Amino acid sequence: GAVVSQHPSRVICKSGTSVKIECRSLDFQATTMFWYRQFPKQSLMLMATSNEGSKATYEQGVEKDKFLINHASLTLSTLTVTSAHPEDSSFYICSAAPPRGGQTDTQYFGPGTRLTVL
Amino acid sequence: SQKIEQNSEALNIQEGKTATLTCNYTNYSPAYLQWYRQDPGRGPVFLLLIRENEKEKRKERLKVTFDTTLKQSLFHITASQPADSATYLCALNDYKLSFGAGTTVTVRA
Repeated sequence: GAVVSQHPSRVICKSGTSVKIECRSLDFQATTMFWYRQFPKQSLMLMATSNEGSKATYEQGVEKDKFLINHASLTLSTLTVTSAHPEDSSFYICSAAPPRGGQTDTQYFGPGTRLTVL
Repeated sequence: SQKIEQNSEALNIQEGKTATLTCNYTNYSPAYLQWYRQDPGRGPVFLLLIRENEKEKRKERLKVTFDTTLKQSLFHITASQPADSATYLCALNDYKLSFGAGTTVTVRA
């Protein structure tokens, strides 16, 4: 159980274009999903917390107009990187948390999306 | 905010030996601490969670300790196997999950 998928797994785009990444919880409902970014040999950095039906909460230093997050249902959250630039190239990972009162407070991570902006 | 340090970037060990990884944090002790495994190009996979009132937790060949006095968690892989080769991340739960940079373990056959 507790499987989270991401699509696409890899994307290459031109500078200035927008890219949408989907995150789905396949076998549980996730009221909260998280978006992380990871640069090579560095730790995962939380970008934003996405709550179903409400606006995302962004971490300090993360531009909300650049990284648009939508959590339209209990199983789907999307991250759109708008007007992407080469410095946005990174590994983007989502995670989903089962509702409170579940077995643990663990987050279940997707397999990640490798974004390369040319 | 918490500063999380994992003692070494890389650890090379012989198959069958025990790998010991260290995670230190600087500020207040979190309610619980987690360990994840991450393979190259993949998202982290949850391994173990230990709460602040627990001193030790085990799962198969894995053991985690949590010392709130030392502000430290140790992660042990006993009877290590080449398949255990991966990067291991510790993470502290507050209002968000904060990760260390990870220790990459390589187990030689």
